[in-house]
Amino acid sequence: ETGVTQTPRHLVMGMTNKKSLKCEQHLGHNAMYWYKQSAKKPLELMFVYSLEERVENNSVPSRFSPECPNSSHLFLHLHTLQPEDSALYLCASSQQDTGDGELFFGEGSRLTVL
Amino acid sequence: GENVEQHPSTLSVQEGDSAVIKCTYSDSASNYFPWYKQELGKRPQLIIDIRSNVGEKKDQRIAVTLNKTAKHFSLHITETQPEDSAVYFCAALKAAGNKLTFGGGTRVLVKP
Repeated sequence: ETGVTQTPRHLVMGMTNKKSLKCEQHLGHNAMYWYKQSAKKPLELMFVYSLEERVENNSVPSRFSPECPNSSHLFLHLHTLQPEDSALYLCASSQQDTGDGELFFGEGSRLTVL
Repeated sequence: GENVEQHPSTLSVQEGDSAVIKCTYSDSASNYFPWYKQELGKRPQLIIDIRSNVGEKKDQRIAVTLNKTAKHFSLHITETQPEDSAVYFCAALKAAGNKLTFGGGTRVLVKP
């Protein structure tokens, strides 16, 4: 299944590194999301982009910086992260105007911050 | 904002028995309630959903019920099988909204 693809699948980084997570959706959807999944908070919404505009920023620290250059691509830029940021980062997409709300998730990027 | 509570957090059942997971929500404006299943190491996937204009929906061995007055909804899995072992998440969405609020998840283990 290639509806929503995320790269890399695994990432190990030091606290001073800068890295980016990439998400691409091939479903023609108009909304994309970043979720953080950890043992503490199983599915925590971070950012929502609708029609390439950020419509939700769920009090996420500035060391996480999203970018949505077009309706098919979503990035999460990472800078000076903390060990507690280690988690699975899930990208998702949906079609907003149908009112359906179904989210299609990618496989996730497993991030480890040393 | 919306708050979704899910219980239990873990559930162990014998193969062939039924499993029930319950969720409550806080925002009476929510009108769409999906359930996602996440197998170990895989992505969450929608398994069933219900809208506020119906009280029950069934799809083979899974069913969902909704009580709008009490603001709670439940997932029922009958004749459980080992492949039903996974983490299940309930969620709630307001009409025309773009923020799906998830419950804390239920880890279901079906013992053969």
